[in-house]
Amino acid sequence: NAGVMQNPRHLVRRRGQEARLRCSPMKGHSHVYWYRQLPEEGLKFMVYLQKENIIDESGMPKERFSAEFPKEGPSILRIQQVVRGDSAAYFCASSVTPGANVLTFGAGSRLTVL
Amino acid sequence: GESVGLHLPTLSVQEGDNSIINCAYSNSASDYFIWYKQESGKGPQFIIDIRSNMDKRQGQRVTVLLNKTVKHLSLQIAATQPGDSAVYFCAEKGSGSSNTGKLIFGQGTTLQVKP
Repeated sequence: NAGVMQNPRHLVRRRGQEARLRCSPMKGHSHVYWYRQLPEEGLKFMVYLQKENIIDESGMPKERFSAEFPKEGPSILRIQQVVRGDSAAYFCASSVTPGANVLTFGAGSRLTVL
Repeated sequence: GESVGLHLPTLSVQEGDNSIINCAYSNSASDYFIWYKQESGKGPQFIIDIRSNMDKRQGQRVTVLLNKTVKHLSLQIAATQPGDSAVYFCAEKGSGSSNTGKLIFGQGTTLQVKP
């Protein structure tokens, strides 16, 4: 059981470039959640997805951010035209049941925007 | 709006002593609370949870207390060990979020264990 796998662990982008973060949920989990953690802060909910469906995107910025969880393959968090304020750790979590209380988090992807 | 906050940003304790980490929440409608531990460079790790119909729950070396009257949550760690050094977050399941997995996290308290 490899747990929630995220890659890349570290990503450096220049302003205006695109960032793609990947998340493979735990085996048997079909619910994925993305959270963002700014330096010295707690995690902030971004989006909750099931296979091929976005269930709750109330925490996603209105522009430049998108997420998907295709039928096959990992969940992708995509940030277009990155700005310095996007620099953060992005954590993915998964659960076997919908809207589960206890989430299993991955180790995170740390995005640095130069 | 909904918010979860912690009283102290850093707590320093001697190895072997008990630790108490506090958390205040603002949404009286929240019905589920969780404590997570985050070590440097890692993702949050579940420690213990409690539902709003309880006021105390115990795990291995950890106890969570919930005071709904003053909207306060605490995590007690018995016989603190160096491996307990981490940032501790309280989180609540926001009202209306029972089916979304949306947790509201506090700012975090850093626990430093002195040998």
